[in-house]
Amino acid sequence: TQLLEQSPQFLSIQEGENLTVYCNSSSVFSSLQWYRQEPGEGPVLLVTVVTGGEVKKLKRLTFQFGDARKDSSLHITAAQTGDTGLYLCAGRATSGTYKYIFGTGTRLKVLA
Amino acid sequence: KAGVTQTPRYLIKTRGQQVTLSCSPISGHRSVSWYQQTPGQGLQFLFEYFSETQRNKGNFPGRFSGRQFSNSRSEMNVSTLELGDSALYLCASSLTGFRAYEQYFGPGTRLTVT
Repeated sequence: TQLLEQSPQFLSIQEGENLTVYCNSSSVFSSLQWYRQEPGEGPVLLVTVVTGGEVKKLKRLTFQFGDARKDSSLHITAAQTGDTGLYLCAGRATSGTYKYIFGTGTRLKVLA
Repeated sequence: KAGVTQTPRYLIKTRGQQVTLSCSPISGHRSVSWYQQTPGQGLQFLFEYFSETQRNKGNFPGRFSGRQFSNSRSEMNVSTLELGDSALYLCASSLTGFRAYEQYFGPGTRLTVT
């Protein structure tokens, strides 16, 4: 079974703090996507990482793809209340059923 | 460009009934996928359609079915509803080729089964 495990599952921090969310698997992925979902809405695509070791920045968000393409991380610098939401990694493994799977999710709450 | 639209947004049904949900993808997107999201199980893949053909299917019972029309619009149907089918049902569309991995989601249909 292909799984994308995210940690931590829940995170509550003060505005201005930094945080890192991890997405891990035993499978190799050709690419990984990161999404953010707010209550009552569908997930919104943030970024795609493709190459092992790749780092992408989106304002205060930094995304990294592991060298072996089995893991990824999301780092938020100086979190703001607007960053509150459910963060999901997702991808399609390079072997097995080739289904698009989502990670277990990290629910982030940034307090003012 | 208009986003993915789903109708209806909210639905209340009784156990044993059936329901049909509709999804209109982003113009030019030919791939449509459906997901079920619940607090306990997270986002679970239901099925994926491309050019009116089901390309992939998740681990859901046969009560869950779908189809795609020639204009790429898609519907999913759940027959003989059970209480456990209460969930947010999300539709996503994507481009073909490499960009097919990037999913663009609609707002979802919140289904409550009583």
